[in-house]
Amino acid sequence: QVQLQESGPGLVKPSETLSLTCTVSGGSINYYYWNWIRQPPGKGLEWIGSIYDSGTTNYNPSLKSRVTMSLDTSKKEFSLKMSSVTAADTAVYYCVRQGDGLPAAPRGSWFDPWGQGTLVTVSS
Amino acid sequence: DIQMTQSPSSLSASVGDRITITCRTSQSISSYLNWYQQKPGKAPKFLIFSASSLQSGVPSRFSGGGSGTDFTLTITSLQPEDFATYYCQQSYSAPWTFGQGTKVEI
Repeated sequence: QVQLQESGPGLVKPSETLSLTCTVSGGSINYYYWNWIRQPPGKGLEWIGSIYDSGTTNYNPSLKSRVTMSLDTSKKEFSLKMSSVTAADTAVYYCVRQGDGLPAAPRGSWFDPWGQGTLVTVSS
Repeated sequence: DIQMTQSPSSLSASVGDRITITCRTSQSISSYLNWYQQKPGKAPKFLIFSASSLQSGVPSRFSGGGSGTDFTLTITSLQPEDFATYYCQQSYSAPWTFGQGTKVEI
């Protein structure tokens, strides 16, 4: 059974770069989209971006200028970097798999499974 | 971006009740609509895909319907473990977007 686990600092200073890594265990990296989704305290879910097994990325336009995702297939890890963070970036960050394991576009796919989430607080 | 609007934002119900949550999209998305359940302090759990297909292991008291721009999630005979927040999500086009959530309270 596939499991995802986020790791990274829980506290980041304003204007600095947030860096998180997600480790995938129990399943293949191939033919899936690997996503980051965040949730500010007490609020809803926001899709940040995805990376395919080929390394192709797709970012939310609202965050695109500050976000970079990468994938290390040998380590079965993917990462998120978000620059110039502010208090508005304080959230629980989830890493999430998308797709059904078949080579296909992401239309019609779903987010499952999710990592447990990691709270990142932006504060000096 | 496709905007998602859920209603109501919250509702109070009792064990055994039947409830319906509505999700409306800003443009037609055919049946590319998913539903998730989230309990406090936990990651969302995937429930329904393609508007009406239950994920494996999801109880049959959950059902989804709709197409185009209007969708529903119905829970018949509400159980204690169903009290949670529910989110719809469109899988038609990126950026993938979610509704604001519906909190189901006792």
